Amino acid sequence: DGGITQSPKYLFRKEGQNVTLSCEQNLNHDAMYWYRQDPGQGLRLIYYSQIVNDFQKGDIAEGYSVSREKKESFPLTVTSAQKNPTAFYLCASSWDRENQPQHFGDGTRLSIL
Amino acid sequence: AQSVTQLDSQVPVFEEAPVELRCNYSSSVSVYLFWYVQYPNQGLQLLLKYLSGSTLVKSINGFEAEFNKSQTSFHLRKPSVHISDTAEYFCAVTSAISGGYNKLIFGAGTRLAVHP
Repeated sequence: DGGITQSPKYLFRKEGQNVTLSCEQNLNHDAMYWYRQDPGQGLRLIYYSQIVNDFQKGDIAEGYSVSREKKESFPLTVTSAQKNPTAFYLCASSWDRENQPQHFGDGTRLSIL
Repeated sequence: AQSVTQLDSQVPVFEEAPVELRCNYSSSVSVYLFWYVQYPNQGLQLLLKYLSGSTLVKSINGFEAEFNKSQTSFHLRKPSVHISDTAEYFCAVTSAISGGYNKLIFGAGTRLAVHP
């Protein structure tokens, strides 16, 4: 079955440590996205990529970095510069058309030790 | 700029009762509208969408939503809810203008709690 796989499901980070969240899709979608979800705040866009080897900052990119070396993969690194990283992170993908819905993975919950 | 307001953060309801989850948006251009559902510790699943045509759109599990352009609303309704409908529901809007990148804007979510 086609879908989006995020790993790990739970992740713990120590102070000053970078961590990388994995996102893989086999839907052949052009565009991929990373969102952060905090209680009562909905989803906020961190980064998005409409094509391989290109990505753009979203609304809350500070303290995060991404790469898009392959169409199916869009890993997110939470750097030590992100002072409040505890959140639920969701990866999504879609066809690169404005009327196409986004498909989501099951998320990674990141916590600080 | 676009925005989405979900008017209720929580909606408690008894099983088999009707429910309405309210969503209002603001936009200076034509829009596409979506409702997503999120079960605990999972990602979002598309429930239904309005792109064009009939203003009443329906999902396979009994939900429906009506696009009202004059009131800039896209309220979600179900005539009889089940315990399994307990989840968080997100309304989202994007610009219908072709070309470039059209960001999907999400509301803050409405937590539907169905009680026996």
